[in-house]
Amino acid sequence: GAVVSQHPSRVICKSGTSVKIECRSLDFQATTMFWYRQFPKQSLMLMATSNEGSKATYEQGVEKDKFLINHASLTLSTLTVTSAHPEDSSFYICSAPSIGISYEQYFGPGTRLTVT
Amino acid sequence: GENVEQHPSTLSVQEGDSAVIKCTYSDSASNYFPWYKQELGKRPQLIIDIRSNVGEKKDQRIAVTLNKTAKHFSLHITETQPEDSAVYFCAAAGGGGADGLTFGKGTHLIIQP
Repeated sequence: GAVVSQHPSRVICKSGTSVKIECRSLDFQATTMFWYRQFPKQSLMLMATSNEGSKATYEQGVEKDKFLINHASLTLSTLTVTSAHPEDSSFYICSAPSIGISYEQYFGPGTRLTVT
Repeated sequence: GENVEQHPSTLSVQEGDSAVIKCTYSDSASNYFPWYKQELGKRPQLIIDIRSNVGEKKDQRIAVTLNKTAKHFSLHITETQPEDSAVYFCAAAGGGGADGLTFGKGTHLIIQP
């Protein structure tokens, strides 16, 4: 199956700083990627849709100026959490749809962000 | 937007018995319904999915049924085994699976030996 990677797998940052998370499709091209957030013992929540070559679209309630998304190539999307606060501590997971016989979402391994 | 409800939140069954998890969705435009198993700290793992042109799909001990009229779909696991213990999420999306997923809140399945 298709492979999606994320980097870093874990990151600790201080409150007020910014942190960048990368999502790569390793063996397929993805014009669209998705970013999800998952708090402990909760479900995954779609944050935004990353579109190659155009602006990301954000779900209701997600601050676009705080969660900057860039999709500069067909294999890379980045999520930058700006001016991080402890409440931003979460598990961030990306996914990309790959076309086989039909679409299937392939998830990255996730990034555990801890803001101190 | 789409809203997915999932029940129960916790399900405990005896090893060898069957487990059923149910989900409902609100957006009639949704046409892709996957089920994921997630272990702590790991990515969701697709276990089965169904598209709106099909009413039922089976893969060994796992089956999914879809009722488009009632907007609900269910996961059935037969002959449960200890390794089936995990958190299971249902989800819904449009675009045949190309759109972002809306997840249910999850079911913690516990298989009692």
